[in-house]
Amino acid sequence: GIQVEQSPPDLILQEGANSTLRCNFSDSVNNLQWFHQNPWGQLINLFYIPSGTKQNGRLSATTVATERYSLLYISSSQTTDSGVYFCAVLYQGGSEKLVFGKGTKLTVNP
Amino acid sequence: DSGVTQTPKHLITATGQRVTLRCSPRSGDLSVYWYQQSLDQGLQFLIQYYNGEERAKGNILERFSAQQFPDLHSELNLSSLELGDSALYFCASSVSGDTQYFGPGTRLTVL
Repeated sequence: GIQVEQSPPDLILQEGANSTLRCNFSDSVNNLQWFHQNPWGQLINLFYIPSGTKQNGRLSATTVATERYSLLYISSSQTTDSGVYFCAVLYQGGSEKLVFGKGTKLTVNP
Repeated sequence: DSGVTQTPKHLITATGQRVTLRCSPRSGDLSVYWYQQSLDQGLQFLIQYYNGEERAKGNILERFSAQQFPDLHSELNLSSLELGDSALYFCASSVSGDTQYFGPGTRLTVL
């Protein structure tokens, strides 16, 4: 099956810093989603981005499908950005199940 | 708020017992997915229903079963519970093949 790798596994920032999270996948995908899991366990949709670039406030994401990776940018980080960020893919030729990476744990200190 | 609801939020039970987790999808979504998040396995797909029919199966144990009802809500039944079944169980819904929206999850603790 498809492999999804996220890096770095852990990231500690000071408030106001910028960061880039990476997601590599091993096969062609129909769908790629970024999620933020907050400290209460909720999975919040950030982006649906099988290709191209999208922006939402301080967050933006880029997926280069031909090179099999996606990047999530967080600018001017805030303590509320803390949590785990997951990338999940729905790969071509497979079922509609999302395959998740192991996540990047982000801690933003005041 | 994703529009997907799950009940209960927390469930504490004993080994050997049976529980039912309930999910109501977003209005208009025909697909419902169940995922399990555990510390050792991460987030894993269990099963998908589309308009009442099972469409895909993942790493779902034989002790687990699910169904989707005519009103499109879904239930996940977990039986003969073991300590290792303790996890966060998520339901998601979508218009088939599109963005999946996740509910708040049910945290199951098996003692």
